[in-house]
Amino acid sequence: AQSVTQPDIHITVSEGASLELRCNYSYGATPYLFWYVQSPGQGLQLLLKYFSGDTLVQGIKGFEAEFKRSQSSFNLRKPSVHWSDAAEYFCAVGPYNQGGKLIFGQGTELSVKP
Amino acid sequence: DTGVSQNPRHKITKRGQNVTFRCDPISEHNRLYWYRQTLGQGPEFLTYFQNEAQLEKSRLLSDRFSAERPKGSFSTLEIQRTEQGDSAMYLCASSLRGGDAGSVGYTFGSGTRLTVV
Repeated sequence: AQSVTQPDIHITVSEGASLELRCNYSYGATPYLFWYVQSPGQGLQLLLKYFSGDTLVQGIKGFEAEFKRSQSSFNLRKPSVHWSDAAEYFCAVGPYNQGGKLIFGQGTELSVKP
Repeated sequence: DTGVSQNPRHKITKRGQNVTFRCDPISEHNRLYWYRQTLGQGPEFLTYFQNEAQLEKSRLLSDRFSAERPKGSFSTLEIQRTEQGDSAMYLCASSLRGGDAGSVGYTFGSGTRLTVV
């Protein structure tokens, strides 16, 4: 079955601290992996995406993610969190051709304390 | 290009009423998707179109739900005889099939939040 698991429902980090959000996937074909961010009441904004090549991908807002095929993981990281990063983060998987449906994880809510 | 536009942003309706939402995709995008997002969950796929053809429907899309994209441009999602369980954010996205993987991707609208009272 195709699925995405985000084990952490809610994470709180201090401003300036590093962040890692976990994502594990199960997908029959070669996956196209995404991380999205959603602020309250808003749509989804793409942070980064990965299909092939360098397994460490850089995204917007200083985020990066590392693909580990052996662990079926695609964890999101940021070296230093800012208060404006507080939001909901979603990992998603889809087919390579860019036109297929996405399967999302349940999300991780990030809180940032001063 | 202003991105994917969804209207209305918010809709409050009484149980049993019909509601219709509209999505205007990015003009050159030929694929259009509908997702539903309930509180505390990730978006769940409902259906998608390539041009005017509806190519896939999720089992989540009961017979009370119908989606159209009559001219391959904007799309509407109608829910008949709404139930409280239909309360959710309804998200629309568009993409370009076959586009270069590095430059063309999904773009989501801001969604329509439906509250059924």
